[in-house]
Amino acid sequence: DTAVSQTPKYLVTQMGNDKSIKCEQNLGHDTMYWYKQDSKKFLKIMFSYNNKELIINETVPNRFSPKSPDKAHLNLHINSLELGDSAVYFCASSQAAVRGRNEQFFGPGTRLTVL
Amino acid sequence: AQSVTQLDSQVPVFEEAPVELRCNYSSSVSVYLFWYVQYPNQGLQLLLKYLSGSTLVESINGFEAEFNKSQTSFHLRKPSVHISDTAEYFCAVTLGSGNTGKLIFGQGTTLQVKP
Repeated sequence: DTAVSQTPKYLVTQMGNDKSIKCEQNLGHDTMYWYKQDSKKFLKIMFSYNNKELIINETVPNRFSPKSPDKAHLNLHINSLELGDSAVYFCASSQAAVRGRNEQFFGPGTRLTVL
Repeated sequence: AQSVTQLDSQVPVFEEAPVELRCNYSSSVSVYLFWYVQYPNQGLQLLLKYLSGSTLVESINGFEAEFNKSQTSFHLRKPSVHISDTAEYFCAVTLGSGNTGKLIFGQGTTLQVKP
């Protein structure tokens, strides 16, 4: 049973296109996150949702828009893709109560390549 | 603002040798401390965490880390490494208050275990 799953695993697209990455967790968690890992493997949080409510919104271009249809799903839509958007995007989830103490469970990542 | 510094980007070591991966953090408020491991082409997994209490924490696969408040450090150690420990290791913190669960990562350390 996959705890946190992401689709697609690989995404290759042209500059200027719009694409979406989907994330689903079956752990019963209330909180979900999106992280970006750049080519130097540095990880930075982008967004977090708790039960469909946005609770973290870092300094991210507004071309990136997260959407949470329910607490088990958090999708990431990216408009007008740029070369600098090439990265690995990780979804994660955790229990809501006292989030800072809780383990975050990560998905396998989506490698986005913008040509 | 909080920050995490991992002092070594790469650590090559021979199998069965001891290893230490260094991590220092900067924060004006209390934090929780984590080590995550990323095996090749996979998502991150929690290795161990320090929340409170005993400053020495251990993982199930032989790693340990010691929280040193005066030196603001949380170094990871293992007395005898295996080939299978080859991976990327990330030190991270969350705030002790605020409850968003925002993980702030260090730059990562690549542990390369050689036969």
